[in-house]
Amino acid sequence: EPEVTQTPSHQVTQMGQEVILRCVPISNHLYFYWYRQILGQKVEFLVSFYNNEISEKSEIFDDQFSVERPDGSNFTLKIRSTKLEDSAMYFCASSKGRMNTGELFFGEGSRLTVL
Amino acid sequence: AQSVTQLDSHVSVSEGTPVLLRCNYSSSYSPSLFWYVQHPNKGLQLLLKYTSAATLVKGINGFEAEFKKSETSFHLTKPSAHMSDAAEYFCVVSTNFGNEKLTFGTGTRLTIIP
Repeated sequence: EPEVTQTPSHQVTQMGQEVILRCVPISNHLYFYWYRQILGQKVEFLVSFYNNEISEKSEIFDDQFSVERPDGSNFTLKIRSTKLEDSAMYFCASSKGRMNTGELFFGEGSRLTVL
Repeated sequence: AQSVTQLDSHVSVSEGTPVLLRCNYSSSYSPSLFWYVQHPNKGLQLLLKYTSAATLVKGINGFEAEFKKSETSFHLTKPSAHMSDAAEYFCVVSTNFGNEKLTFGTGTRLTIIP
């Protein structure tokens, strides 16, 4: 069964460092998403991406964050200068169609720890 | 605005007994509602979804949920729990107006007692 894969599974970084989290969505999917879950809190929407541009983003997704689809398979989330409060589990997801008609397929998550 | 409230952070049931995980929602528009499950060290998997069709929705692994507009509820049930059902369950809402943002509940951890 096709699945969304994320790397790394766990990354530890120093505050102020840049981090790139990588995702390989399911190959025939057109919509891509990042969500995050701070320990003990709700899963929160960060950003959605379609046709090589951001289609929606939350207030969390400030100038420190960026997303990119550098080639035909990868979808990345970059945090330019990490802060302690960026420590969270980051989930990538993809879907064939718009979320309210289709199903989002999530990866297993990348745990980011900022020291 | 939209939100979901999962009324129980932790539910324990014995194997073979019924499961009930409670969820109430709030939405300004006609909602789409979902239940996702997360097994340890796994991604989030869709169990079932309601998108304004039949109010009783059947999902995978014997789970089902009923949309009750008058009670603003979308409780998840299963007649007989299995050990493999032990996981974290998330109730999720979105609107039907092309809003791509899913709003998650805080999750309910289901423990199955042998």
